[in-house]
Amino acid sequence: NAGVMQNPRHLVRRRGQEARLRCSPMKGHSHVYWYRQLPEEGLKFMVYLQKENIIDESGMPKERFSAEFPKEGPSILRIQQVVRGDSAAYFCASSPYGATNEKLFFGSGTQLSVL
Amino acid sequence: QKEVEQNSGPLSVPEGAIASLNCTYSDRGSQSFFWYRQYSGKSPELIMSIYSNGDKEDGRFTAQLNKASQYVSLLIRDSQPSDSATYLCAVLTSGGGADGLTFGKGTHLIIQP
Repeated sequence: NAGVMQNPRHLVRRRGQEARLRCSPMKGHSHVYWYRQLPEEGLKFMVYLQKENIIDESGMPKERFSAEFPKEGPSILRIQQVVRGDSAAYFCASSPYGATNEKLFFGSGTQLSVL
Repeated sequence: QKEVEQNSGPLSVPEGAIASLNCTYSDRGSQSFFWYRQYSGKSPELIMSIYSNGDKEDGRFTAQLNKASQYVSLLIRDSQPSDSATYLCAVLTSGGGADGLTFGKGTHLIIQP
């Protein structure tokens, strides 16, 4: 029973490059959440998706960031033209319950380092 | 602006003692409360949830909720070195739509052998 799978575990990018972070939710979960965690900071909500739909992106920066959760395949968090301030741990979580947002199961995260 | 406040610590507790972690929240409409444990470099792991005033016990863990004071706490009895981690308080507001849980910054707990 695989948990939430994220890859890559570590991602290094130079300023101006694109970063793609992948998340496969737990089997049977169709609700995916992305969080960002800066050093010494709490988890900050970014976006909530269901299959083929963005439900809430109120935590996403207005520019350079996008997310999708296609009918087939993993959820993707895409960061274009990365800057040093994007360096953080990005966690994906999934839930079977949807909007109640309870009992989130987290992936192991992707540590993004921007040089 | 929903806020969840925690003392960042570190909180140092001798092995075998009770560790007490505290959290306050700003949104009176909050209905569900969670404690997550996060080891360094690892993902958060749900350890307790509580929805009504009072205490909820699960093994060595007890969550306490006081909605009038907008306060939630986590007690860890018979603390073990393996309990050393960062503990994140998370709050969900009912009717708040589909946005995510609001997390505190976490309390770093150190259990001294």
